Amino acid sequence: AQSVTQLDSQVPVFEEAPVELRCNYSSSVSVYLFWYVQYPNQGLQLLLKYLSGSTLVESINGFEAEFNKSQTSFHLRKPSVHISDTAEYFCAVSESGGSYIPTFGRGTSLIVHP
Amino acid sequence: GAVVSQHPSRVICKSGTSVKIECRSLDFQATTMFWYRQFPKKSLMLMATSNEGSKATYEQGVEKDKFLINHASLTLSTLTVTSAHPEDSSFYICSAREAGQGGNTEAFFGQGTRLTVV
Repeated sequence: AQSVTQLDSQVPVFEEAPVELRCNYSSSVSVYLFWYVQYPNQGLQLLLKYLSGSTLVESINGFEAEFNKSQTSFHLRKPSVHISDTAEYFCAVSESGGSYIPTFGRGTSLIVHP
Repeated sequence: GAVVSQHPSRVICKSGTSVKIECRSLDFQATTMFWYRQFPKKSLMLMATSNEGSKATYEQGVEKDKFLINHASLTLSTLTVTSAHPEDSSFYICSAREAGQGGNTEAFFGQGTRLTVV
């Protein structure tokens, strides 16, 4: 079975500063990795995903994440955050060839201060 | 991307009554839908996997007689919270994958339903 650990429950940062949200996973097989964002009282929206190929994946709004197999990590980064990036961020893992049911981390609250 | 519509977005009900939450895939067919419950500490707990035309698969610790799931068509799954109690108050979220797709595709999420039992 797979599991996901998001080490930081809350990350405060000032606007235009860089940020990294950490995600580590555990699995005995190959995995697919996802980052979702949740705005208040809304469902989750896919931010980016790693399936195969290049270990660095990017979103359209400036976020990127790098799959590191040796460290079993998929940390999310953005070089310069905006107030509008304030939200909950969830890392998720899905085992390839398995049940395909994604397992979510506990989430990280990104709080961007002006 | 594909759209999943969840209704209602917010509901308040009296203790002892039942509440139905609908989850619809608007522009794709979903043989499988997932129901999650999100607790105040933000963790997303998978409650059950809803399969079209068959019985739902419940996660350990989830009462299937309390949380009734029906997936009658390829675009609609419903979750009914029966005899609701204040401790059932929570944010419920559904998600769906397009039919025939596996773990390498994203799951599309509904907007969530905030249930408050008074």
